[in-house]
Amino acid sequence: AQKITQTQPGMFVQEKEAVTLDCTYDTSDQSYGLFWYKQPSSGEMIFLIYQGSYDEQNATEGRYSLNFQKARKSANLVISASQLGDSAMYFCAMREGLNFGNEKLTFGTGTRLTIIP
Amino acid sequence: DSGVTQTPKHLITATGQRVTLRCSPRSGDLSVYWYQQSLDQGLQFLIQYYNGEERAKGNILERFSAQQFPDLHSELNLSSLELGDSALYFCASSGGGLVEKLFFGSGTQLSVL
Repeated sequence: AQKITQTQPGMFVQEKEAVTLDCTYDTSDQSYGLFWYKQPSSGEMIFLIYQGSYDEQNATEGRYSLNFQKARKSANLVISASQLGDSAMYFCAMREGLNFGNEKLTFGTGTRLTIIP
Repeated sequence: DSGVTQTPKHLITATGQRVTLRCSPRSGDLSVYWYQQSLDQGLQFLIQYYNGEERAKGNILERFSAQQFPDLHSELNLSSLELGDSALYFCASSGGGLVEKLFFGSGTQLSVL
């Protein structure tokens, strides 16, 4: 079974609208971390937001928020007031069993987001 | 700028050849990770080093090897290259804390012709 599932290969969103990118995960660990990264066309991987499995509140970073539903094992990324510069690939990732010195991330297949002017 | 430096940015070589990709982690980061990104496989974890020692191994082929040196920079060696090895190779680093995020370099685009 896939550890990280992103079911939306591509999305088109009108500028200034909010967008939700879906991510579900599969783990039997109690301690884990969930991440979102952005990959623009230039290729670099940019960290956006982090949610720990024991965090009671949803993480927020500026226009980014993570809708964490632990029982459903989902960690959707919400981008408010989308901008043209948000057009990119977005990857959801998970780190399991938070062991010191082992922060390997498992990535989903990504969602290509295109913002339409 | 993530602080992680990868060289070269682009590499074009022929099948059967050997190449070395280099990575300098962020200052102070002890962990270095190598990932391969291809269209058909997505982002695949290859290997991790922590303070000079191999810590975790992923889907790394036997033709590939890596090491981390005392100054914490890392090299990924790819040998007997095949067409299917063409991909974007990322290096990432982290400080080793429990909630540390990975900082990625800009990648090395490898083209095997």
